[in-house]
Amino acid sequence: GQNIDQPTEMTATEGAIVQINCTYQTSGFNGLFWYQQHAGEAPTFLSYNVLDGLEEKGRFSSFLSRSKGYSYLLLKELQMKDSASYLCAVMDSNYQLIWGAGTKLIIKP
Amino acid sequence: DAMVIQNPRYQVTQFGKPVTLSCSQTLNHNVMYWYQQKSSQAPKLLFHYYDKDFNNEADTPDNFQSRRPNTSFCFLDIRSPGLGDAAMYLCATSRAEGTTDTQYFGPGTRLTVL
Repeated sequence: GQNIDQPTEMTATEGAIVQINCTYQTSGFNGLFWYQQHAGEAPTFLSYNVLDGLEEKGRFSSFLSRSKGYSYLLLKELQMKDSASYLCAVMDSNYQLIWGAGTKLIIKP
Repeated sequence: DAMVIQNPRYQVTQFGKPVTLSCSQTLNHNVMYWYQQKSSQAPKLLFHYYDKDFNNEADTPDNFQSRRPNTSFCFLDIRSPGLGDAAMYLCATSRAEGTTDTQYFGPGTRLTVL
């Protein structure tokens, strides 16, 4: 079966750095997406990785290792507005998105 | 701004009373998706359309139907809502099928079933 695993919840302090991990087992791989979802709102696109390595985009970076079936989202200089759920999704061989349940990130002052 | 719009944002219906949710897009994307998302769960794909070609996920209940009368609009019909259908319903679009194009989401419709 296809499976995406990410921690249910994480807590971090404003101004700090947090890393949200995602591991996956899917039928084929056509890239990995990270989305941010604030409570009661729709997911918004953050990043896409298809090649191994680190992609940096401002305060957010995303890393992929295809051989390990592993990705992480790194958030730097955390702000209170970063409190949200972060969803990892893998595009399988049929170009269908397989979603994780999301990691709820709580930022404390 | 190009966007995905969903109406209404909040919908309350009675148990068993049909309800229709709507989605429109100004992105001129060929593919439209309907997802169901319950609290703290992953979005679950119900349907997707490539242009007017309809694709029903194998485990989508018959209680759910969808229509796409043109490129811009897509509707989700729930024929007899049950308490278990209370969820956020998300509409998304992407440029083309069979590609790695990003999916862009509307704000969602939160359905409450009384």
